[in-house]
Amino acid sequence: NAGVTQTPKFRVLKTGQSMTLLCAQDMNHEYMYWYRQDPGMGLRLIHYSVGEGTTAKGEVPDGYNVSRLKKQNFLLGLESAAPSQTSVYFCASSLNPVQETQYFGPGTRLLVL
Amino acid sequence: AQSVTQLDSQVPVFEEAPVELRCNYSSSVSVYLFWYVQYPNQGLQLLLKYLSGSTLVKGINGFEAEFNKSQTSFHLRKPSVHISDTAEYFCAVTNSNSGYALNFGKGTSLLVTP
Repeated sequence: NAGVTQTPKFRVLKTGQSMTLLCAQDMNHEYMYWYRQDPGMGLRLIHYSVGEGTTAKGEVPDGYNVSRLKKQNFLLGLESAAPSQTSVYFCASSLNPVQETQYFGPGTRLLVL
Repeated sequence: AQSVTQLDSQVPVFEEAPVELRCNYSSSVSVYLFWYVQYPNQGLQLLLKYLSGSTLVKGINGFEAEFNKSQTSFHLRKPSVHISDTAEYFCAVTNSNSGYALNFGKGTSLLVTP
């Protein structure tokens, strides 16, 4: 049981490049979330999913797209990276977000030059 | 809409002293309240949560928090801190909106020194 894993751990991009961040969980969780963490800002919700095949926008969705084709995976895409997307990205998952905890991955550090 | 305010960005404290990290929230509906801890270069770990019932909630590592509905607060306390408690602490709220995603405060950095 690996919990929540994120790939890659660290990446450097040039402005305009694209990439996909992968979040995988092996706990059969329905709910999955992508947050970004910036200094002094806490964590902010980018997109979320309440089940396979469903996605919805969070607080800061601009410049990102997501897909949940398989229940265990939640992909976050940057089509054209911008310096403002330099951040630490955290994925989380939960079976029942109220009764159960949200389990967080270790994070992906992204630097956009 | 809901929001969370953590009143202190940094809290320095000596080892074995008590500590209180303050959190206020605002919401037009009933909320669920959480405290998470983040150790350096790690993800977030749940300390405790308030869903309903007793307003005093006990969590891991000796932490506890008290829900005060009239003051819309959920302050985190520990009677005696250790060096290992040095970390970033986040208060968060959620409700049925946004798939129960967490709405975080900006965090409080707790620094415990000998």
